[in-house]
Amino acid sequence: GDSVTQMEGPVTLSEEAFLTINCTYTATGYPSLFWYVQYPGEGLQLLLKATKADDKGSNKGFEATYRKETTSFHLEKGSVQVSDSAVYFCALRPFTDSWGKFQFGAGTQVVVTP
Amino acid sequence: NAGVTQTPKFQVLKTGQSMTLQCAQDMNHEYMSWYRQDPGMGLRLIHYSVGAGITDQGEVPNGYNVSRSTTEDFPLRLLSAAPSQTSVYFCASKGQHNSPLHFGNGTRLTVT
Repeated sequence: GDSVTQMEGPVTLSEEAFLTINCTYTATGYPSLFWYVQYPGEGLQLLLKATKADDKGSNKGFEATYRKETTSFHLEKGSVQVSDSAVYFCALRPFTDSWGKFQFGAGTQVVVTP
Repeated sequence: NAGVTQTPKFQVLKTGQSMTLQCAQDMNHEYMSWYRQDPGMGLRLIHYSVGAGITDQGEVPNGYNVSRSTTEDFPLRLLSAAPSQTSVYFCASKGQHNSPLHFGNGTRLTVT
């Protein structure tokens, strides 16, 4: 079945460092891909999405490009802030499921220190 | 905008007790779902619904019941709580097609 694998955390960075969180997927066809962010004590919030190959999703300085050839959707940010400390989840919505039995990765905790 | 509202935020149960986790959304979304979040395992789908009167099982449905009598509400019932059900539970709703999931703030459940 469809699945998502993302790098384990925690990832600890200094402020203004470059962040990359790797995400790869296994799916048939062309799933839609998402990154969600979870701040402490809160639910998940959509960070960005891409619905077809070579699409680039971006929001709040974060970017991710849908790479069909490598089945990847890596999240990047050029200069992180303390406020970016959170847990980040990569997710897919299967191509054949118009509603959304989403598959989530295990989550990657990011800690940004001043 | 209230979005997706979950109650309670915290709950402690003894093994064998029953309870209902409430979820309500005000976005007129047809799709609603329940996930549980456990360390190192991400989110796993428990049950979902694509409209009033329609429910189906997700990846980990055992020990949980749901019903969908209105578009707005999607309660999750634990009939006889077990320690393995200690988790954080999230309700999420979604509009049609490529729209994303909208999550509530979660219910942290501890079963002793």
